Amino acid sequence: DGGITQSPKYLFRKEGQNVTLSCEQNLNHDAMYWYRQDPGQGLRLIYYSQIVNDFQKGDIAEGYSVSREKKESFPLTVTSAQKNPTAFYLCASSIGYASTEAFFGQGTRLTVV
Amino acid sequence: AQKVTQAQTEISVVEKEDVTLDCVYETRDTTYYLFWYKQPPSGELVFLIRRNSFDEQNEISGRYSWNFQKSTSSFNFTITASQVVDSAVYFCALSEARTGTASKLTFGTGTRLQVTL
Repeated sequence: DGGITQSPKYLFRKEGQNVTLSCEQNLNHDAMYWYRQDPGQGLRLIYYSQIVNDFQKGDIAEGYSVSREKKESFPLTVTSAQKNPTAFYLCASSIGYASTEAFFGQGTRLTVV
Repeated sequence: AQKVTQAQTEISVVEKEDVTLDCVYETRDTTYYLFWYKQPPSGELVFLIRRNSFDEQNEISGRYSWNFQKSTSSFNFTITASQVVDSAVYFCALSEARTGTASKLTFGTGTRLQVTL
């Protein structure tokens, strides 16, 4: 089935550790995105990528890093510099034009203790 | 800067009632796109509808209908004869429409809809 796969679904990490969230898509989409969702808030854009080997900061990129070495993959690293990393992280992809809808994965819930 | 406001934090209705979810947006762009997404308890966002700023024709799709009014910057969503399966968080979102850019979405804070028997 075509879609977006995020893993793991739940992730626990100790404070001060870096952690990488996986996102893979088989929709042949050019653009991929990472959003963060906090309780009672909407989604906020962390990073996005329109093509392989290129990515741009979103509204809340501080403390995060990404790579886009393959079209299908867009991993997100939450670094120790991120002050409040506990959140629900959603990966999405789209054809790449502003008029098109984005397709979302099922999310990774990260808890830092 | 773009902004999307969903003033209703939570709505509770009894099954078969009609319910309208409000969305008000702000943008300086003359061309833009508006979306509604549904987030069930499983977590993923499910796309429901897209409208561009030049298309104010309202639409009905089954039990769903949308009312886009550019004059009031509103894009409201109505569920007719609600069902328990409609219980979810609903997000309104806005994207810029610049050629070559990805679909960067600005989301509202969401409206949690609870439909009970």
